[in-house]
Amino acid sequence: EIVMTQSPATLSVSPGERVTLSCRASQSISNNLAWYQQKPGQAPRLLIYGASTRATGIPVRFSGSGSGTEFTLTISSLQSEDFAIYYCQQYNKGPPYTFGQGTKLDIK
Amino acid sequence: EVRLVESGGALVQPGGSLRLSCVVSGFDFSKYSMNWVRQAPGKGLEWVSYVSGGSRTIYYAESVKGRFTVSRDNARNSLYLQMNSLKGEDAAVYYCARDGSGKSINWFDPWGQGTPVTVSS
Repeated sequence: EIVMTQSPATLSVSPGERVTLSCRASQSISNNLAWYQQKPGQAPRLLIYGASTRATGIPVRFSGSGSGTEFTLTISSLQSEDFAIYYCQQYNKGPPYTFGQGTKLDIK
Repeated sequence: EVRLVESGGALVQPGGSLRLSCVVSGFDFSKYSMNWVRQAPGKGLEWVSYVSGGSRTIYYAESVKGRFTVSRDNARNSLYLQMNSLKGEDAAVYYCARDGSGKSINWFDPWGQGTPVTVSS
């Protein structure tokens, strides 16, 4: 099973800041990585697939990069609606299709 | 508009059974593989099960193998999860999620709103 590790677990940031979230795979997954955003009481929403392709309707301030085992999600200028939990997920080798444990963005 | 609506979540005793449903609309259901993903209270996301468009290929997480059964009825645009021998650790919100690629590549998009399952005596 491929283990996905996200860091940090929590990040306190201010609106307008640029933020980078990390996700590491326990073995190479090529670019077969997705990012999701989840707000309290809501279902996850797909942000990025293929490590760097924005899903339909996702603002350009969200960008993804990386390949192999190291990936990042960058939000160029945080908006109030971006405070949420972010999960990465690998789909290179499955099942199982594994998620990271999540990174929570808090308002500083 | 693509919609996925889960139902069937409830309070059930340990050892009991439950059947979840997910009714979809807005796309050709038979052409997409589907998944169940769960989230225990305050925890992260855990993939549970996968079924291909024609039900030929089915996968389960090790944690539910032998106890859960996924199925679909393409004529009714419906996905199901039969859960037997439920344990406390099965308590979670259960989401149905479509394969986002349409090619069984298995990123998940979109997701339903979820249905909660509580396992307690």
